[in-house]
Amino acid sequence: NAGVTQTPKFQVLKTGQSMTLQCAQDMNHEYMSWYRQDPGMGLRLIHYSVGAGITDQGEVPNGYNVSRSTTEDFPLRLLSAAPSQTSVYFCASRQGHPDEQYFGPGTRLTVT
Amino acid sequence: AQTVTQSQPEMSVQEAETVTLSCTYDTSESDYYLFWYKQPPSRQMILVIRQEAYKQQNATENRFSVNFQKAAKSFSLKISDSQLGDAAMYFCAYRSPRDDKIIFGKGTRLHILP
Repeated sequence: NAGVTQTPKFQVLKTGQSMTLQCAQDMNHEYMSWYRQDPGMGLRLIHYSVGAGITDQGEVPNGYNVSRSTTEDFPLRLLSAAPSQTSVYFCASRQGHPDEQYFGPGTRLTVT
Repeated sequence: AQTVTQSQPEMSVQEAETVTLSCTYDTSESDYYLFWYKQPPSRQMILVIRQEAYKQQNATENRFSVNFQKAAKSFSLKISDSQLGDAAMYFCAYRSPRDDKIIFGKGTRLHILP
């Protein structure tokens, strides 16, 4: 199993550009989440999904969209990037039981 | 809303000594899950230990153990026989079974002194 994979590992965007951060898992996990990590802020939940076709907002959803058309994939879309979205983004997945959450390696995004 | 507080931004411990990282949380729920995650410089998030709130017995994993005080809403992590490889950021996290959100504290950076 590859676990949770994220692409790209690094990305630089200009303000106003759009892009999609990809996340995929091959463990048939129901639950998937996106977090952002900023210095001194820990990890903050952006959006999450409890299954294909079901998504919900986390703590900091503004400026981000998600969809979950398959169990495996959970892309995160930035519609119009802003410098405040400069961060490290983590995707995670877990099964209902046992509920250990597996994290991807992260994407470092810089918006100039 | 639930909150998780880690009051120690940084800590240092001598190699082979014992260190305790603090975590408190606020919730009105009676059933929930608590976790400690480790993030080394590689940036990978690694689960260290987990605790179900309905279990009175404190979880242990080799050199890692927790002191779970449900009434006080406290969940500290004890690392025994500290090793250089334990140097990392440690995050306390709370998960509600109701909405499945996982809330993280801001982290404690642990330094191991040789």
